Amino acid sequence: DQQVKQNSPSLSVQEGRISILNCDYTNSMFDYFLWYKKYPAEGPTFLISISSIKDKNEDGRFTVFLNKSAKHLSLHIVPSQPGDSAVYFCAASEHNQGGKLIFGQGTELSVKP
Amino acid sequence: DARVTQTPRDKVTEMGQEVTMRCQPILGHNTVFWYRQTMMQGLELLAYFRNRAPLDDSGMPKDRFSAEMPDATLATLKIQPSEPRDSAVYFCASGLGNWGGSNEQFFGPGTRLTVL
Repeated sequence: DQQVKQNSPSLSVQEGRISILNCDYTNSMFDYFLWYKKYPAEGPTFLISISSIKDKNEDGRFTVFLNKSAKHLSLHIVPSQPGDSAVYFCAASEHNQGGKLIFGQGTELSVKP
Repeated sequence: DARVTQTPRDKVTEMGQEVTMRCQPILGHNTVFWYRQTMMQGLELLAYFRNRAPLDDSGMPKDRFSAEMPDATLATLKIQPSEPRDSAVYFCASGLGNWGGSNEQFFGPGTRLTVL
């Protein structure tokens, strides 16, 4: 049973435009959400996170939005750059689970010049 | 420059052989995780440890996989015997294992396993 789902395996965006990556979850006990970015032949690296008590967190060109009622979060990248081309994983954690993260399947973003 | 290291980076082996993957977590991190990346499941959690004690290994096929932490600087994932369906990239990650709040994990570069 996939508790965290990224339904779009891939996304292609023109340089300078907005990239929107989506993530849905089923477990209402999740209280922290994270996005990771992964380049080929490297491990995932942390990008941005959001607590369930917030609905938005912004860091430079990256903004994460959380809609708890819909159990949905999204990552916005504005403006998109070719270096943003990577696989993006959404992850969620539940309080008192010892740091355990549940990851989605990932979305491969391609930003074209 | 603190980072998680994994060895080997690539491993090609034949079906039935034993495979051992090693991970050195970041010094001071008390939680270590093993993941497997597949196309269908994304990043699957196989097992994790806190203060070297196994907390959850329910994601691991018990009959052939085993995970241990002989000491705080070494985590191992062993497959015996290996099968072609085990071919994947295996990641180790470490973190501070907060019981609340952000649980950022730091990943190693992965071990690409190919079982022929």
